[in-house]
Amino acid sequence: DAGVIQSPRHEVTEMGQEVTLRCKPISGHDYLFWYRQTMMRGLELLIYFNNNVPIDDSGMPEDRFSAKMPNASFSTLKIQPSEPRDSAVYFCASSNYEAATSYNEQFFGPGTRLTVL
Amino acid sequence: EDQVTQSPEALRLQEGESSSLNCSYTVSGLRGLFWYRQDPGKGPEFLFTLYSAGEEKEKERLKATLTKKESFLHITAPKPEDSATYLCAVRGNQAGTALIFGKGTTLSVSS
Repeated sequence: DAGVIQSPRHEVTEMGQEVTLRCKPISGHDYLFWYRQTMMRGLELLIYFNNNVPIDDSGMPEDRFSAKMPNASFSTLKIQPSEPRDSAVYFCASSNYEAATSYNEQFFGPGTRLTVL
Repeated sequence: EDQVTQSPEALRLQEGESSSLNCSYTVSGLRGLFWYRQDPGKGPEFLFTLYSAGEEKEKERLKATLTKKESFLHITAPKPEDSATYLCAVRGNQAGTALIFGKGTTLSVSS
């Protein structure tokens, strides 16, 4: 398996522009997570999906952020309009929860480094 | 509110000098404590999951232990390739299946 795939790996944009980050989870995984990592705040959960349905979006900073998961193999995180304070590394992770054992190891993608000028 | 605090923020060791990283947590109903390793420019890589106090897990030079309030990641005779940021995370009842991460300890091992 190729693991979690994210694109682009690097994105540089100007304030006010729309940014779309993409993620392909590991095949067969039923949970997908979007995280943001900064030096100041560390790794923060933005939103997560179970079977393509958003479960908890309380970590989404404001209405400029939106996420979708149209099918089991693809998700997007969109920022519109982007602002300099959105600059961070955005990670996607997926997992396969096993109720019998509570096993829920999350596998992370390589991340997208976003710079908003 | 679920919370994870890691210490120290940074640790510098000589090759072969054993030490421990600390992860203190407060969580409503622990459903797993996770250790990840993160190399520069990469995503976190899973190391261990611990579920109950007294549990221990080992992998090469790393050993993770868990009490009711904290976890330790012991590094025995570290090598330069162990240099990375080590992240601790918890999953509790309130967070569903989401993880709450600490800010990490950055370990540097010099030869």
